[in-house]
Amino acid sequence: SQTIHQWPATLVQPVGSPLSLECTVEGTSNPNLYWYRQAAGRGLQLLFYSVGIGQISSEVPQNLSASRPQDRQFILSSKKLLLSDSGFYLCAWSRGGPEGQFFGPGTRLTVL
Amino acid sequence: KNEVEQSPQNLTAQEGEFITINCSYSVGISALHWLQQHPGGGIVSLFMLSSGKKKHGRLIATINIQEKHSSLHITASHPRDSAVYICAAFQGAQKLVFGQGTRLTINP
Repeated sequence: SQTIHQWPATLVQPVGSPLSLECTVEGTSNPNLYWYRQAAGRGLQLLFYSVGIGQISSEVPQNLSASRPQDRQFILSSKKLLLSDSGFYLCAWSRGGPEGQFFGPGTRLTVL
Repeated sequence: KNEVEQSPQNLTAQEGEFITINCSYSVGISALHWLQQHPGGGIVSLFMLSSGKKKHGRLIATINIQEKHSSLHITASHPRDSAVYICAAFQGAQKLVFGQGTRLTINP
């Protein structure tokens, strides 16, 4: 069976510090991978998606970036965090088929 | 106006009641996703449907493509059903557009 991992689960970072969130998927190959953010009291927003190694599509302009160094690894990064980067970050995977997307446990980021 | 609208935003009911959550969308979609988000934040996929009706246990999801409307029903609701329910519309193969969610509270 397939599983998706995210770490860390929670993170408190000062403004201006760098960020690296990691997502890995097990039990499948060549998944589509997604990063979402859920700001406090708001809906989910797609940040990035990837259909293959090194292939990243960005949905919204921001100071975040994503990379996919390996088939089942998706990394969300920032060089300098802003207060507005606080939120709940979710990674998801799919096969692009009718079963939909499957979400990781999420990382709660607080920028102080 | 959001491309995906859910109603109600908040719903409180007594255990055993029949629950309906509605989702309307204004964009062309290839499919619709119903998700459940627990208080800790974790999201579980409930249904993915592009036509008709799907049932899983006490949960039923329906979609009317012509009317651009979907509903999620919960029969014999239970306190453990308390969560935020989110509908999300697939635009093409990759992009999910999310509703704001419906916070459901079932009291014993």
